[in-house]
Amino acid sequence: KAGVTQTPRYLIKTRGQQVTLSCSPISGHRSVSWYQQTPGQGLQFLFEYFSETQRNKGNFPGRFSGRQFSNSRSEMNVSTLELGDSALYLCASSLMMTGTAEETQYFGPGTRLLVL
Amino acid sequence: ILNVEQSPQSLHVQEGDSTNFTCSFPSSNFYALHWYRWETAKSPEALFVMTLNGDEKKKGRISATLNTKEGYSYLYIKGSQPEDSATYLCAFRGSARQLTFGSGTQLTVLP
Repeated sequence: KAGVTQTPRYLIKTRGQQVTLSCSPISGHRSVSWYQQTPGQGLQFLFEYFSETQRNKGNFPGRFSGRQFSNSRSEMNVSTLELGDSALYLCASSLMMTGTAEETQYFGPGTRLLVL
Repeated sequence: ILNVEQSPQSLHVQEGDSTNFTCSFPSSNFYALHWYRWETAKSPEALFVMTLNGDEKKKGRISATLNTKEGYSYLYIKGSQPEDSATYLCAFRGSARQLTFGSGTQLTVLP
């Protein structure tokens, strides 16, 4: 079974631009969560999508948005990029919504974004 | 803001040594505690999901224990090997449902 895939793997943008990252979950998984990791920080939760609806959101500004399609693929968009948005962005998929206590999330390899 | 802390931040051990590290999390509104292993240039890999106080899980040379009343979990690695070198992350799931991650323990096993 193919794992979680993310595209692109690396990206360089300049301040003020916008960027769209893509995540394809494991086949059959319906929940996709997004995380940001910056140097010195743990993984910070951005949001979770399940059945094309955002179910949960972390503490990030409105410049960060996402969506999920009917095939469970998800995209994350960051508008008006700032230098501090340089980070590794990971997505993770799970079978069901992450309210189930034992539900395991499976991570993709991440997209490394550099904002100049 | 939930506080999930891991210690130590980094650790160097010799091949064959056994080691352990700690994850501290809120003791209220506990749903689950996850452990992940994250090797450089790879995806984080799920190790354990623990939900009950007193839970013990084992996978090969790696095991974990859980104390929800006092809010901590230990991860043990017996007879460390160079391939165990990775960052070990714990993540707390509370009533808010999303995972809150600690900053990780970076383990280096020297041959």
